Amino acid sequence: DTEVTQTPKHLVMGMTNKKSLKCEQHMGHRAMYWYKQKAKKPPELMFVYSYEKLSINESVPSRFSPECPNSSLLNLHLHALQPEDSALYLCASSRDSGANVLTFGAGSRLTVL
Amino acid sequence: AQSVTQPDIHITVSEGASLELRCNYSYGATPYLFWYVQSPGQGLQLLLKYFSGDTLVQGIKGFEAEFKRSQSSFNLRKPSVHWSDAAEYFCAVGAPEYGNKLVFGAGTILRVKS
Repeated sequence: DTEVTQTPKHLVMGMTNKKSLKCEQHMGHRAMYWYKQKAKKPPELMFVYSYEKLSINESVPSRFSPECPNSSLLNLHLHALQPEDSALYLCASSRDSGANVLTFGAGSRLTVL
Repeated sequence: AQSVTQPDIHITVSEGASLELRCNYSYGATPYLFWYVQSPGQGLQLLLKYFSGDTLVQGIKGFEAEFKRSQSSFNLRKPSVHWSDAAEYFCAVGAPEYGNKLVFGAGTILRVKS
């Protein structure tokens, strides 16, 4: 299995809702990432988990809360988002957090109303 | 600070023509480099990578790239473009000195005309 699976593919939520994005990989990778990609822009790193511990938080607002329950799963909990948070959220994984290739999922398209 | 520049926002080529997408970087040390491709609304797919060794690297779908240290460049090439190559292409650079965080260029949108 060489895939990163993200669910849901599309999510529409109001500013008062609480929702979660999920990411799963079964490649034995020990580093997992969340990226945010706005339209016509490159991906921007949000969080990195290495061996299930948060190792990088790129000054992301607290309305985004990551969670890594185990080495195969990565969640992004969303609460009180703003319309400007609408974007494609990409999950990626790599063998570890060193100099490695990132494998990306297909993304979750989030729309905040 | 590290940076990655893709100077061409859009490129249009005819099907069957050759292609070169430019990527320049500014890093203090020897970086490792990638090219990714993204179709609309999709994730990123790795085309090729360079860590060390031979400076001409081969990737999937007939793409290749050449690392030129003197020019701080890692340009992507393909001898004959197919209509299915239309997509957005991102160059990405990382280095241990910067925590191995990948920095992406702004992307180049490739259009293929028949």
